[in-house]
Amino acid sequence: AQKITQTQPGMFVQEKEAVTLDCTYDTSDPSYGLFWYKQPSSGEMIFLIYQGSYDQQNATEGRYSLNFQKARKSANLVISASQLGDSAMYFCAMESFNKFYFGSGTKLNVKP
Amino acid sequence: NAGVTQTPKFRVLKTGQSMTLLCAQDMNHEYMYWYRQDPGMGLRLIHYSVGEGTTAKGEVPDGYNVSRLKKQNFLLGLESAAPSQTSVYFCASSPHAANEQYFGPGTRLTVT
Repeated sequence: AQKITQTQPGMFVQEKEAVTLDCTYDTSDPSYGLFWYKQPSSGEMIFLIYQGSYDQQNATEGRYSLNFQKARKSANLVISASQLGDSAMYFCAMESFNKFYFGSGTKLNVKP
Repeated sequence: NAGVTQTPKFRVLKTGQSMTLLCAQDMNHEYMYWYRQDPGMGLRLIHYSVGEGTTAKGEVPDGYNVSRLKKQNFLLGLESAAPSQTSVYFCASSPHAANEQYFGPGTRLTVT
């Protein structure tokens, strides 16, 4: 069965420091995609970054990078130089067999 | 270019009533999705569509029906609302499966 797991319900990080949000997944699909979304308190879903299962290099988008370890089935999000505006819920998601599966999320609080 | 819109934004139903949620996208995307998000949880896929005239079940389809008669619209129906269907409903679209999803702003539904 396809599954996404986020084991950190909440995290704190000091402004300007880096933070890693954990995500592990499970699927029997040889071709899948991994995504991270941000959900601020206002409720909208904001796409951050995507990693394909066959991509050799880790994805990066500005301050966001995805640490993809295929053998470990992990797809951790790294946010560098945290900003106050990064405080939000972060969801890891997987596309597998045309369906999407979301983790339960990590609430990130950035402290000034 | 409105992206993905959802109608209505808020709704209160009584148990047993029916309603339809409308999702519209103007990006000519093939794939469309309906999710529900319960408090403190990630998104769960209800139904999805890979093209006009097609629909398929997601993770939690019971109690819901969908239709995709036009490429730009994806309707979610509740035939007989139950309090367990109180949730925030998100619609999303994407050009194909392994691609960023574009989300609507959500519909907050309360069933009393």
